[in-house]
Amino acid sequence: AQSVTQPDIHITVSEGASLELRCNYSYGATPYLFWYVQSPGQGLQLLLKYFSGDTLVQGIKGFEAEFKRSQSSFNLRKPSVHWSDAAEYFCAVGAPGGSYIPTFGRGTSLIVHP
Amino acid sequence: DAGVTQSPTHLIKTRGQHVTLRCSPISGHKSVSWYQQVLGQGPQFIFQYYEKEERGRGNFPDRFSARQFPNYSSELNVNALLLGDSALYLCASSSQGTQYFGPGTRLTVL
Repeated sequence: AQSVTQPDIHITVSEGASLELRCNYSYGATPYLFWYVQSPGQGLQLLLKYFSGDTLVQGIKGFEAEFKRSQSSFNLRKPSVHWSDAAEYFCAVGAPGGSYIPTFGRGTSLIVHP
Repeated sequence: DAGVTQSPTHLIKTRGQHVTLRCSPISGHKSVSWYQQVLGQGPQFIFQYYEKEERGRGNFPDRFSARQFPNYSSELNVNALLLGDSALYLCASSSQGTQYFGPGTRLTVL
């Protein structure tokens, strides 16, 4: 079975600073990988996904993520954070084929200081 | 295009009661999944339905049940509510391996 670890519960950055949120997964082959964002009391919005091909994936809102097979990682990055990026970020891993049901990490809360 | 819709938005129940949550998927999506998200945690998988058939079930008690209708909408039912069932219940419809989430139903059990 697949699993996801998001080692940082909270991350605090200043507005305009760069951001990297960490995600490590456990799966026997190349998984499907996702990053979602959740604002307080809201549902999850898909930021980006990796299925295959180019290991650097571009998403919405200026986010990108890089799949590194050797490190079993799929870290999320943004070069310049805006105050509106403050939210909860979830990494998820899915098994290709079958029902594609993803397993989610516990999330990283992003706090943005002005 | 309309996204995934869920109703109601909020719900307050007392212990022992029953609740029904509803979900309409994105047009053209035939698969619906349900998740429970408690405060401070990621979503936990409850059920997945595809073409009205149950395709997957998470580690939840039999008090939880679901069904999918011919129009692909879905209901999640929870019987004999416990305080620990208080959570945000998320519905997602999926296409080509990607899940798209609705806004959720906030259930509070008193």
